[in-house]
Amino acid sequence: AQRVTQPEKLLSVFKGAPVELKCNYSYSGSPELFWYVQYSRQRLQLLLRHISRESIKGFTADLNKGETSFHLKKPFAQEEDSAMYYCALSGIKETSGSRLTFGEGTQLTVNP
Amino acid sequence: DAGITQSPRHKVTETGTPVTLRCHQTENHRYMYWYRQDPGHGLRLIHYSYGVKDTDKGEVSDGYSVSRSKTEDFLLTLESATSSQTSVYFCATGTTSGRTVSYNEQFFGPGTRLTVL
Repeated sequence: AQRVTQPEKLLSVFKGAPVELKCNYSYSGSPELFWYVQYSRQRLQLLLRHISRESIKGFTADLNKGETSFHLKKPFAQEEDSAMYYCALSGIKETSGSRLTFGEGTQLTVNP
Repeated sequence: DAGITQSPRHKVTETGTPVTLRCHQTENHRYMYWYRQDPGHGLRLIHYSYGVKDTDKGEVSDGYSVSRSKTEDFLLTLESATSSQTSVYFCATGTTSGRTVSYNEQFFGPGTRLTVL
């Protein structure tokens, strides 16, 4: 079974402060990990995927297989980063398609 | 974003009535998914489709059925709506890159807010 855990439902930081959103996963094989973001009243959109090792909007995330974690980090938070963030895992490679398992989400608020 | 639409965007219905939500895509993606989004639960997969007429259950499929008669459309039906099905429903599509390692990225619709009284 695959599981994603985001231990913080709410996270509040001040503008310019570093931010880290935690994500831990459980999966016996080699997972693909993603971060999705949902701004207020908008659709979910992909922020990062570990396989491409990108940095989007100043966010980075490193897959740590030893700790089974995929924490999202940004050195200097901005007010426009306020949103709901979901960590997601794809571990199934069958022909019926890959199913994403989402964490519960972390609501990030960046205060001025 | 305009490639995936959902209808209706908002609906209020009464307990016991059937409800059908529609997802339409113009991306020609093979895979389509229905999720529900609830506070404290994140997104949970209801049903998904891996091709026309090919569907399978997700983790919270009880009380829901789906149909996919053509690539562009994926319908979600609540056979007899209950208050516990009050939620925001998201449709998503996906396609594999065709490479050895698949990106497995999914693209989301705008959501349908359903209230069951």
